[in-house]
Amino acid sequence: EPEVTQTPSHQVTQMGQEVILRCVPISNHLYFYWYRQILGQKVEFLVSFYNNEISEKSEIFDDQFSVERPDGSNFTLKIRSTKLEDSAMYFCASSEGQLSYEQYFGPGTRLTVT
Amino acid sequence: SQQGEEDPQALSIQEGENATMNCSYKTSINNLQWYRQNSGRGLVHLILIRSNEREKHSGRLRVTLDTSKKSSSLLITASRAADTASYFCAPLQNTDKLIFGTGTRLQVFP
Repeated sequence: EPEVTQTPSHQVTQMGQEVILRCVPISNHLYFYWYRQILGQKVEFLVSFYNNEISEKSEIFDDQFSVERPDGSNFTLKIRSTKLEDSAMYFCASSEGQLSYEQYFGPGTRLTVT
Repeated sequence: SQQGEEDPQALSIQEGENATMNCSYKTSINNLQWYRQNSGRGLVHLILIRSNEREKHSGRLRVTLDTSKKSSSLLITASRAADTASYFCAPLQNTDKLIFGTGTRLQVFP
């Protein structure tokens, strides 16, 4: 069964460094998402992406964050100048369609900022 | 988009018993989705029910939707220890942005 994959599974970085989290969505999916979950808290929406553009973003997704689909398979989340509070699990998801379609989530990347 | 409110917050049952969890929401929806999350792992989509549907089944899962009461329920029959997880509902209207609440933490004891 096709699945969303994410790399790395765990990333440790120092405050102020840039990180890139990578995702490979399911191959025929057109809609891509990033969510995050700070330890012990709710899963929060960050951004949705379609047709090489951001469709929607949350207040969390400020200028520090960017997303890109650099080729036909990868979908990346870049965090510039990481802060301690960026420590969280970051989940990528993809979907075949937009409104009445389920989203398939990857296993997540645990980001630890020290 | 809106957040669903799951109830109860926590539920403990024995293997073989049924588990029922509820979801309430505030405004009209196009569809409502249920997801499961095992501790610290990614979310798994369980069922999507559209606003014109009243009930949907998938294996041991049964979801109902009452749009007049703005509520949904998820029933897991003959529960197993592997069903131990947190369960979330996500009501959606004209958006694909999933907003998750605190969920129902289900513990199934062998």
